[in-house]
Amino acid sequence: NAGVTQTPKFRVLKTGQSMTLLCAQDMNHEYMYWYRQDPGMGLRLIHYSVGEGTTAKGEVPDGYNVSRLKKQNFLLGLESAAPSQTSVYFCASRTRALAGGPYTGELFFGEGSRLTVL
Amino acid sequence: AQSVSQHNHHVILSEAASLELGCNYSYGGTVNLFWYVQYPGQHLQLLLKYFSGDPLVKGIKGFEAEFIKSKFSFNLRKPSVQWSDTAEYFCAVNSNYQLIWGAGTKLIIKP
Repeated sequence: NAGVTQTPKFRVLKTGQSMTLLCAQDMNHEYMYWYRQDPGMGLRLIHYSVGEGTTAKGEVPDGYNVSRLKKQNFLLGLESAAPSQTSVYFCASRTRALAGGPYTGELFFGEGSRLTVL
Repeated sequence: AQSVSQHNHHVILSEAASLELGCNYSYGGTVNLFWYVQYPGQHLQLLLKYFSGDPLVKGIKGFEAEFIKSKFSFNLRKPSVQWSDTAEYFCAVNSNYQLIWGAGTKLIIKP
């Protein structure tokens, strides 16, 4: 029972390099999210997706791009990494509310990806 | 826009002490409220949630939270903490497609 899987778990980049973080979930969830976590700042939403082929900006989208070509995958890209993007990145997913049905709203998180930009 | 405030950024307690962590959200209406916990080096996990009904919600590991609508609050409590409760605790409220998060409270339990 994998849940939400993030790869890679650790990465060191030089300023200006690009990379992609992959998030995969096997729970058939419609909603997926990318957060960054920095000391004393809690979780900040970067981008999210409410379904395959759709994405939307969150609180801190600048410098990041995302794609959701398949329902189970949500990719986070850094086109030109900057030291300010040094952080721990978390992917999360959840099911959507069903009309008239139960809705837990619970987010399921991946293990996190620690990115350092030198 | 909805916002969430957690009053204490750091809390240090001795084992067996009682715990209360504050959480306030900015405006009313129908809200869904959550407490998540992040143990050192791990990802966030759901502790408990409130959707409707009894405002006193019981979660895992002996935690509970009380929703007080008139105070826009959802404080987390535990009668007697253990060393293993050392973690960071986050309060969150549902808003459209997102969860709005508090900044977190780091709890350290001294053995």
